Parts: sequence; C-alpha cells; structure tokens
Amino acid sequence: QQQVKQSPQSLIVQKGGISIINCAYENTAFDYFPWYQQFPGKGPALLIAIRPDVSEKKEGRFTISFNKSAKQFSLHIMDSQPGDSATYFCAASPRANRDDKIIFGKGTRLHILP
Amino acid sequence: NAGVTQTPKFRVLKTGQSMTLLCAQDMNHEYMYWYRQDPGMGLRLIHYSVGEGTTAKGEVPDGYNVSRLKKQNFLLGLESAAPSQTSVYFCASSYPPPRDRSYGYTFGSGTRLTVV
Repeated sequence: QQQVKQSPQSLIVQKGGISIINCAYENTAFDYFPWYQQFPGKGPALLIAIRPDVSEKKEGRFTISFNKSAKQFSLHIMDSQPGDSATYFCAASPRANRDDKIIFGKGTRLHILP
Repeated sequence: NAGVTQTPKFRVLKTGQSMTLLCAQDMNHEYMYWYRQDPGMGLRLIHYSVGEGTTAKGEVPDGYNVSRLKKQNFLLGLESAAPSQTSVYFCASSYPPPRDRSYGYTFGSGTRLTVV
C-alpha cells in the first residue's frame, strides 16, 4: 500500500499547548519521513524530517516521534504559538531512487488560539 | 529570490476552454512536479518530470498534459477544462534522490483555478 494516513483532519490548540499530529503507513519500504508546513496562500515547505533508524528528532519546538514497529510517526509542536497556525502534511518516501516520489498525507489544519 | 514561480496566480475558465499553467524554477533542479490540492484530499500528483524532455504520469493525470522543453520550465495544460478541475495547482521542484532528502521539495505559491 502506497498510502500515508494522517489524523486529525483539523486541530485547535490553546496558545502554549502541545499540538500532536499523527501519521501511519503500511509500506515497510518507506525509509524517509518528512513533514511539510503550509501557510494560507503559500506552497508547502519542508519543516523537519526523520529516517527510521532513529526514534526521535527535535528541531526547536518541533519534534518527530517515530515508532518503526507500529509503522507510525507523529509531529509534536511544543509551546504552540498563533504563528504555528497552518496546514501540516506528513509524507513518506519509499527509497532514494529515480522513480520514487514523496507520498503525502491528506493534511491537518492546525489553529492555535491566542 | 531563488525559488519556484507560478503564473498565473488566479484564473477563471469556462467549461471547455483551454489554458496553460507555467512553472519556472531557478535552482537548477532536475525534477519538477505538478500537484493539485483540494479540501480533504491533500496533495495529489498530476504529472512529473525527472529531466528536460521527459515527463511521466502521476496519481491523477487524466485531463492534463505537460511539457518540459527547458530544464527550468514545466508547463501544465488543460485542453478542455471541466468543473472537476477547479482546484489549487502547485508546482514543485527538487534535486534527484537521494539529494532531495536533504533539501526537500521547493513549492511555488500556487495557481487558484476555477472552472465554471
């Protein structure tokens, strides 16, 4: 299955809270898992990415947690700010060869209440 | 600024009309992609190109054609627009794998197309 399932579809979090977005996959050939952030009226932009040989990657307030056995990964936004309000896409890439492209989840619209 | 430029930004078409969306990148990326974004559907790949003169079908290619005559440009054509093609279209570019993993995809700001 070349699918990446993302939840929730939308999320509302209070300022200062933790935002959590979850993704699941089935294809064990996936070996690269990026997250993209999209602001209204803009294209998506790479936020953070992880490979399955590590269980966690942190960049500032953004952390990816990866559970290889469960085939799940999640994005945690600590101390969420109104400026984090955006649509977030998880994604997966099968392998690094010429014909394999990133497969995106359906997105989560995050709104941080001021 | 370096990046991906899409033109036009907005367009309204009547059913049956044709149009071409232009994507230009100045990062010397080999790979280019066209996606459409619809509410609840995420990003769906229409067509892509792994180099000048090459194109390939993505997940939802029907009703669209593409051309990549120059490395920096990737054109998306709608020969006979239908209301189902109302969407936001994004162009993206990248280095080939595995280098694309270090830099990700660079997306344009999108073209909002309405077919009435």
